[in-house]
Amino acid sequence: RKEVEQDPGPFNVPEGATVAFNCTYSNSASQSFFWYRQDCRKEPKLLMSVYSSGNEDGRFTAQLNRASQYISLLIRDSKLSDSATYLCVANTGRRALTFGSGTRLQVQP
Amino acid sequence: EPEVTQTPSHQVTQMGQEVILRCVPISNHLYFYWYRQILGQKVEFLVSFYNNEISEKSEIFDDQFSVERPDGSNFTLKIRSTKLEDSAMYFCASSGRNSLEQYFGPGTRLTVT
Repeated sequence: RKEVEQDPGPFNVPEGATVAFNCTYSNSASQSFFWYRQDCRKEPKLLMSVYSSGNEDGRFTAQLNRASQYISLLIRDSKLSDSATYLCVANTGRRALTFGSGTRLQVQP
Repeated sequence: EPEVTQTPSHQVTQMGQEVILRCVPISNHLYFYWYRQILGQKVEFLVSFYNNEISEKSEIFDDQFSVERPDGSNFTLKIRSTKLEDSAMYFCASSGRNSLEQYFGPGTRLTVT
């Protein structure tokens, strides 16, 4: 079973749309969770950490459900520049990060 | 804004040769990491390094690999006797003492021919 599982997409949405990505993790011992974005052939860039209470940063909202081992990312008012692959990440060792395969988002004009 | 830097951006080597990939982590960070991403696949953890020693490593990080912090700023990954399947993007990352948030460098694309 994959440790961090994501729908690969692609999600094709018009500008201004709201889009949500989901992710599940298998290791119940995971303590910390993150969303990264990765543009083609570039490095992962930290988008936000995910806290149990849920957290928001501008147009982005992340939620964590430990009971269901489920993480989500909501993007409101999508911009063309949001087009990227979104990586769900869990800390599964002392500090090792385990990445999902990513969900591709394409925002269209 | 401080950032992780990596050199070279692209390295081509022949099978069986040794390569050294270099990284300069963010200056006040204490934890350093190497990850790799084979083309079309997910990012995979290789090793973490703290206080001049390996603190954690994955199954991928076998005797072919080694890491070093030769001075106060550089962090290196050495791959001995490269194989074709070592071709990948290698990312260095760093994090601060009290945070698991890891910041990635732009990567070195390694091509083994």
